[in-house]
Amino acid sequence: SQQGEEDPQALSIQEGENATMNCSYKTSINNLQWYRQNSGRGLVHLILIRSNEREKHSGRLRVTLDTSKKSSSLLITASRAADTASYFCATDAGTNAGKSTFGDGTTLTVKP
Amino acid sequence: DTGVSQDPRHKITKRGQNVTFRCDPISEHNRLYWYRQTLGQGPEFLTYFQNEAQLEKSRLLSDRFSAERPKGSFSTLEIQRTEQGDSAMYLCASSLSKGATEAFFGQGTRLTVV
Repeated sequence: SQQGEEDPQALSIQEGENATMNCSYKTSINNLQWYRQNSGRGLVHLILIRSNEREKHSGRLRVTLDTSKKSSSLLITASRAADTASYFCATDAGTNAGKSTFGDGTTLTVKP
Repeated sequence: DTGVSQDPRHKITKRGQNVTFRCDPISEHNRLYWYRQTLGQGPEFLTYFQNEAQLEKSRLLSDRFSAERPKGSFSTLEIQRTEQGDSAMYLCASSLSKGATEAFFGQGTRLTVV
């Protein structure tokens, strides 16, 4: 079974609004990463947060991590139609950057 | 460098046929990973290589699946006697080994078994 679970499964918002996606996981982690996937395409790495970090920013993205609750959130501010995609969280328990356990994703639709 | 390249992008095959996919990683990356992704699900780890050595295989990788990375550069994933349940997107990723903080994914190969 997958390590992470994203919530909600689907999210539809208007352009300019903020989008928040949540991820919960089951076992201890070393890093948590967020990826974006446009329909039928590969994954694009968005941001990595280490287990000893609580918050990280990158442009319009803000990621939080609460290891006590085994959860993370991804906030996209001032959303754009181009943000329409599926978003996945992925966790790894060791030092292997590419061997991650993915959740099933949140599908975000941003309406123009 | 153009990133991780996968070929073909799409493959339709009849049940029972063998298929082979190729992945060319970013040139200086010595780790290479294969994932499988079915519709509506997240990617699932299949196997990874460090240079030419296959270091880990998931139990998802049945004996019909074999992956190679003979010279530590490109990799191939072969599926023998394909089944309809093999229909999925097969993703390849690569990373550095020391100090790597992310893996870079290719565009994937979408396999449809009819």
